[in-house]
Amino acid sequence: AQSVSQHNHHVILSEAASLELGCNYSYGGTVNLFWYVQYPGQHLQLLLKYFSGDPLVKGIKGFEAEFIKSKFSFNLRKPSVQWSDTAEYFCAAPTGNQFYFGTGTSLTVIP
Amino acid sequence: GAVVSQHPSWVICKSGTSVKIECRSLDFQATTMFWYRQFPKQSLMLMATSNEGSKATYEQGVEKDKFLINHASLTLSTLTVTSAHPEDSSFYICSAPGLAGDGQYFGPGTRLTVT
Repeated sequence: AQSVSQHNHHVILSEAASLELGCNYSYGGTVNLFWYVQYPGQHLQLLLKYFSGDPLVKGIKGFEAEFIKSKFSFNLRKPSVQWSDTAEYFCAAPTGNQFYFGTGTSLTVIP
Repeated sequence: GAVVSQHPSWVICKSGTSVKIECRSLDFQATTMFWYRQFPKQSLMLMATSNEGSKATYEQGVEKDKFLINHASLTLSTLTVTSAHPEDSSFYICSAPGLAGDGQYFGPGTRLTVT
């Protein structure tokens, strides 16, 4: 089964700083990868997803992620964060319909 | 987009009692739903897969007699925490798969506090 790991547990940035959150996956076969965001008090929302094709995936709210097969990585990026990006970010990979999540990264953006 | 709802959003119960949490797909049918548990500042842990018309399948380490799952219809799955204890206090989230490539649609979660 696919598994993912996130190494940044808590990131604190100032507004306008650039963001990169790490996500590594374990399985070398066909890979589907997702990034979800959980704003304070809200449910999980899909940020972006990769299935195949262009390894640079663009999502909502200015987020993007790059699938690098040689590094088993799918890092999330945003060139300039805003205070409203403060949230928990989860990388996830499905095995069939079952989703397995990374441990999550808590992002705090300081105004 | 597709909406998944949960009820209640917050429940407090006494130790030893049972609590039922409902998960509904509001504008689509879901033959499969998933139940997750999330501890504060931690990730979601898949507990079980709820299957309409058949028994749920549980992840390793999850007590099926403790967490009863019933997928009563194509739009409703329920999770019953039986004989709840304080260590069962957590945030429980359900999800249903979207169309191919859409990932999962998540409910807003239910916060359970057992006193």
